[in-house]
Amino acid sequence: DAGVIQSPRHEVTEMGQEVTLRCKPISGHDYLFWYRQTMMRGLELLIYFNNNVPIDDSGMPEDRFSAKMPNASFSTLKIQPSEPRDSAVYFCASSFGSSYGYTFGSGTRLTVV
Amino acid sequence: QKEVEQNSGPLSVPEGAIASLNCTYSDRGSQSFFWYRQYSGKSPELIMSIYSNGDKEDGRFTAQLNKASQYVSLLIRDSQPSDSATYLCAVNTSGGSYIPTFGRGTSLIVHP
Repeated sequence: DAGVIQSPRHEVTEMGQEVTLRCKPISGHDYLFWYRQTMMRGLELLIYFNNNVPIDDSGMPEDRFSAKMPNASFSTLKIQPSEPRDSAVYFCASSFGSSYGYTFGSGTRLTVV
Repeated sequence: QKEVEQNSGPLSVPEGAIASLNCTYSDRGSQSFFWYRQYSGKSPELIMSIYSNGDKEDGRFTAQLNKASQYVSLLIRDSQPSDSATYLCAVNTSGGSYIPTFGRGTSLIVHP
């Protein structure tokens, strides 16, 4: 298996633009997580899905953020409009069951200028 | 607020020594505990999981869990420069979702 695949690896965008991050989880995994990592706040859980259904989005910072999982093999995290404070590394992770360890993707480094 | 606390470090040890990384948690109902390693610029990688009190060994790594004292430790024997990384502790919270809460991580530096 190729692991959790994220795209793009790097994204530089101007403030106000829409940003879409993509994730393909490991086949057979029923949980998918979106995290954001910064030096200031560490690793923060934004939202997670179970069997393609959003379970908890309480970590999403504000309405500018949205996430979807239209099928078991694809998820997106969208930021519209983007702001400089959104600059961070965004990780997608998947797991089989919620009580076991996760496999993380390589992450997307987002820079909003 | 369910918390997972780690000393940010850096923890500096000489090559060949034992590195000891510690993590405390606030949720007494926690049942699953994980250690992830994160190299600079890379994603976290699961290296150990532990679910019951006591020690669990995997190669040079030993995870130790003490639920009564609410701490979990990671020992790295015969530390190598390639072990230099940030180590993240994650603890499953109780209350239904069992989604792990991550600590901020401890930076480990193994010098030759």
